[in-house]
Amino acid sequence: QVQMVQSGAEVKKPGASVKVSCKTSGYTFTDYYLHWVRQAPGQGLEWMGWINPTSGGTNYAQKFQGRVAMTRDTSISTAYMELSGLRSDDAAMYYCAKNTATHNYWGQGTLVTVSS
Amino acid sequence: SYELTQPSSVSVSPGQTARITCSGDVLAKRYGRWFQQKPGQAPVLLIYQDDERPSGIPERFSGSSSGTTVTLTISGAQVDDEADYYCYSAADNNWVFGGGTKLTVL
Repeated sequence: QVQMVQSGAEVKKPGASVKVSCKTSGYTFTDYYLHWVRQAPGQGLEWMGWINPTSGGTNYAQKFQGRVAMTRDTSISTAYMELSGLRSDDAAMYYCAKNTATHNYWGQGTLVTVSS
Repeated sequence: SYELTQPSSVSVSPGQTARITCSGDVLAKRYGRWFQQKPGQAPVLLIYQDDERPSGIPERFSGSSSGTTVTLTISGAQVDDEADYYCYSAADNNWVFGGGTKLTVL
């Protein structure tokens, strides 16, 4: 079955960067775009962008352009999301996710805390 | 960029029917989906392609679409259905979520 396992919680200082991984299994990694979504405490779901695992091409939501980088390692079916210049309002749960025609699959989430 | 608009909250008594709407121009051209999210959990897909239900989702959850609005209907709402509900669509592989609706069943 499809599994998306993310890296563990992170605590970062303002201005630092965080890199979250998403290791996938149970499907062909290069068959589906991999998306990142975040959710601040008590807030809604916010789409950050996607990576095309085949080409490495990316598309980022305008809000995150210049601060986010999505990469992948096809040899280990793993995607990464790095967010730089962290601010207090970047504190959130970060999810990797993918779509098929009839399903959505989500990682378990990675909690990023930003604190001095 | 596209936007989806949902009510922030809906409240029903157990056994009643709950309806949550979601409006946005993108829905005139693209299918909508609905997710349920309970505290501390990842979202769960309830409806795809406006009105299709994945296997394992109870029949009391249904979806419909008209023009630029999609609607999630929960028939005979149960206390366990208390959760946040998000509509979603995608255009050019870019995802957009509604702001979420908190459903209270009491």
